[in-house]
This record gives sequence, structure tokens and C-alpha cells, in this order.
Amino acid sequence: AQSVTQPDIHITVSEGASLELRCNYSYGATPYLFWYVQSPGQGLQLLLKYFSGDTLVQGIKGFEAEFKRSQSSFNLRKPSVHWSDAAEYFCAVGGSNTGNQFYFGTGTSLTVIP
Amino acid sequence: DGGITQSPKYLFRKEGQNVTLSCEQNLNHDAMYWYRQDPGQGLRLIYYSQIVNDFQKGDIAEGYSVSREKKESFPLTVTSAQKNPTAFYLCASSIRVNGANVLTFGAGSRLTVL
Repeated sequence: AQSVTQPDIHITVSEGASLELRCNYSYGATPYLFWYVQSPGQGLQLLLKYFSGDTLVQGIKGFEAEFKRSQSSFNLRKPSVHWSDAAEYFCAVGGSNTGNQFYFGTGTSLTVIP
Repeated sequence: DGGITQSPKYLFRKEGQNVTLSCEQNLNHDAMYWYRQDPGQGLRLIYYSQIVNDFQKGDIAEGYSVSREKKESFPLTVTSAQKNPTAFYLCASSIRVNGANVLTFGAGSRLTVL
């Protein structure tokens, strides 16, 4: 069965520090992987996606993620966090085997300390 | 600008009442979705529709109903049979990009049962 695990419920980092949010997935075929960001009371915005090819993908707002098939991971990174990055982050998996369905992790809440 | 419009943003309901949440998109996307979001539980799929006049139940469809009479519209009715309807509801649509679907979200509707 398809599933996504985000092990960290909440992370706190200082402004300017680097960030890594973890995501592990379970999927029987080649996954399509996504990271979304959600500000309080808002919808989700797509940060980046991986379909195939280069395993390091770049997204908006300076974020990047690396697909590691051997570890079933798709961790999100940012070299220097800004206060405006404080939000909830969701990892998701979808693919040809899921039809139009997507599977989301439970999210990681990011707090940024000035 | 193209996007997804959800209304109302906030809705209060008395127990025993049905309520309908509106979702309209002008992105010309074929597929549309309804998700429910509760704190710490991520996004759970209620219903999705791949084409007009067709829809499928998701993981938590009990107590909800939908219709898809037009490509642009996918309203969700929360019925009195839904035991715990207080939640944040997200509508999304998707388009196929390079063989995979990418979700675009509305801003959400918060339903509170009094």
C-alpha cells in the first residue's frame, strides 16, 4: 500500500540556519513525489516535484529536494531559512499506479526563531 | 488569473443541518478532489472526480456527498450523517504533466459545528 511518513511533527530552526525536512514513502513502482507548503488557514502551494531524471530537484523559494530510491526518501532542504518560511510542510506521493490519487504525509510544522 | 475558488471561507452549522461547500475552478482541469484536514492527521481524501458526471469515494466518504455536473464545479455536501464535521476542507484540481498529475489547491473552507 502507498504511504508517506514525515517523522518530524515539529521543527524549530534559527533564521539563517540550514533546514532539512524528512520524508519517506512506500510505493510499489516509480513514484511521483511532491512537497507542498501551507501557511495557517490557507491552501497548499506546490514547492517542487520529482517525476524522473535528475534526483536533485529545485523548487520555488530556494528549496530543493533529493530523491533517494535506495532509502525511499525525498527530503526537503534549504541552505538558509528565512522567517517567512515558517509554515506547515507536506510531502506527497502519486503516480501512474495510483491513478489520480495522491497520498500525503501528516506534515511537519516549521518554526523559525529570529 | 486561473485558480480554484472555495466558498464560504468560514461556515458555522448547527448539528443536524446539511451544508454545501462550493468549489469552482477556471483552470480547465479534468480531475477535482475534496480533502479534509484535521490537526496532526494530514490530508484525507473524501471524494474525487476524474470527469464530469463521474466521481469516486475516497478514504472517508461516509457522511459526505458530491456532484460533478460541470467541469468547473465540484460542490461538497456535508450531511447530518457526518459524525464529526468540524474541520478544514480543501478542494483541489489536477492536470496531467509529463505523464503525472499535479494538484492545485484552493484556499480552503473551515466548517465549525456549533
